[in-house]
Amino acid sequence: DIHMTQSPSILSASVGDRVTLTCRASQSIGSWLAWYQQKPGKAPKALIYRASALETGVPSTFSGSGSGTEFTLTISGLQPDDFATYYCQQYHTYPVSFGQGTKVEIK
Amino acid sequence: QVQLQESGPELAKPSETLTLTCSVSGDSIISHYWTWLRQPPGKGLEWIGNVYYTGSTNYNPSLKSRVSILIDTSNNQFSLKLRSVTAADTAVYYCARQLNDYNPNRFDTWGRGTLVTVSS
Repeated sequence: DIHMTQSPSILSASVGDRVTLTCRASQSIGSWLAWYQQKPGKAPKALIYRASALETGVPSTFSGSGSGTEFTLTISGLQPDDFATYYCQQYHTYPVSFGQGTKVEIK
Repeated sequence: QVQLQESGPELAKPSETLTLTCSVSGDSIISHYWTWLRQPPGKGLEWIGNVYYTGSTNYNPSLKSRVSILIDTSNNQFSLKLRSVTAADTAVYYCARQLNDYNPNRFDTWGRGTLVTVSS
């Protein structure tokens, strides 16, 4: 099985900051990586697929990059609505798997 | 607009079989793969498995011995059966759509989730 590791676990930032979240895979997954945003009590929302493609309706302040085993999600200009937990997911191989999440909190 | 809605009991007793149903509206259930995931309170996401309209399934090996996912194309629904539940199965259970352009794939649409507590 492919293990996904996210860092940091918690990221403290301010409105307007540019932040970068990292996701690492235990083996190469090509570009088969998605990112989700989850707010308390809500279902995850898809943000990015194939490592860098934005889902429909996702603002361009979100961007993804990477391939192989190392990936990043960047939020340029944090908005109040962006404070949430972010998960990466590999879909290279079954069983698909998620990272443990990065919580972006207000500094 | 595609919508998914989970339904089922909020409480299950240890050793029982948990059955949840996901109703799909705004899309044909024969168009994509349909998935169950779960999230224990305060923890991360776990993929349980999926089903295609043909009845073909994929399961997480960690749960495979206890899980069945079935599809009902006539009612645009699919269901999860989890046998011999324990307290460790307490979680929010989500159903989600997995697009069928690639397999496996990401999950572009999710239900709101339903909290199931396993307790005597």
